[in-house]
Amino acid sequence: DAKTTQPPSMDCAEGRAANLPCNHSTISGNEYVYWYRQIHSQGPQYIIHGLKNNETNEMASLIITEDRKSSTLILPHATLRDTAVYYCIVPRGGGKLIFGQGTELSVKP
Amino acid sequence: DTEVTQTPKHLVMGMTNKKSLKCEQHMGHRAMYWYKQKAKKPPELMFVYSYEKLSINESVPSRFSPECPNSSLLNLHLHALQPEDSALYLCASSQDGPVLREQDEQFFGPGTRLTVL
Repeated sequence: DAKTTQPPSMDCAEGRAANLPCNHSTISGNEYVYWYRQIHSQGPQYIIHGLKNNETNEMASLIITEDRKSSTLILPHATLRDTAVYYCIVPRGGGKLIFGQGTELSVKP
Repeated sequence: DTEVTQTPKHLVMGMTNKKSLKCEQHMGHRAMYWYKQKAKKPPELMFVYSYEKLSINESVPSRFSPECPNSSLLNLHLHALQPEDSALYLCASSQDGPVLREQDEQFFGPGTRLTVL
């Protein structure tokens, strides 16, 4: 199973881009990278996922390195409502989500 | 409707009580999940149901008993719990089963906050 490593916390100024890194050096060729976030006292929320190519949706962009050993989630214009714990996950076979400790992002005015 | 609902929002129970948590989704999803989350910790997978059959039990103690009466409903029956079982219990669902595709995002409910006295 591919483990992920994320910094425990990060700060970002409101309106600036938030770049959240994730290391998944043991990822195998057919494993996806998923990102979820959990705002305080709420259930986790899916953000984005990718395999090889960079992905973008209305919430964020996902940049995956060519060797697939790391990725970066980008929130282009962070707002106070983006303050949350962000989880980078490489699901096990069968779609099991194993959450690591995540990165606690604080967006400050 | 892209919502997963959970009831009750809060539950306080004694160690000798029997209670149940309920989860419901109307997205036509065929896979449903229970997670447990202790304070300041990440969610931990407990059970996975696929097409109303239990497919994964992550070595959860028998005092937690899941049930999937139909494709929209998931229950978690609680009996003889311990104070250390106090946690946020999260339900989630995803589109596919019985072979879960990695592409399927999971939709989470808001959780039931359980306190065992």
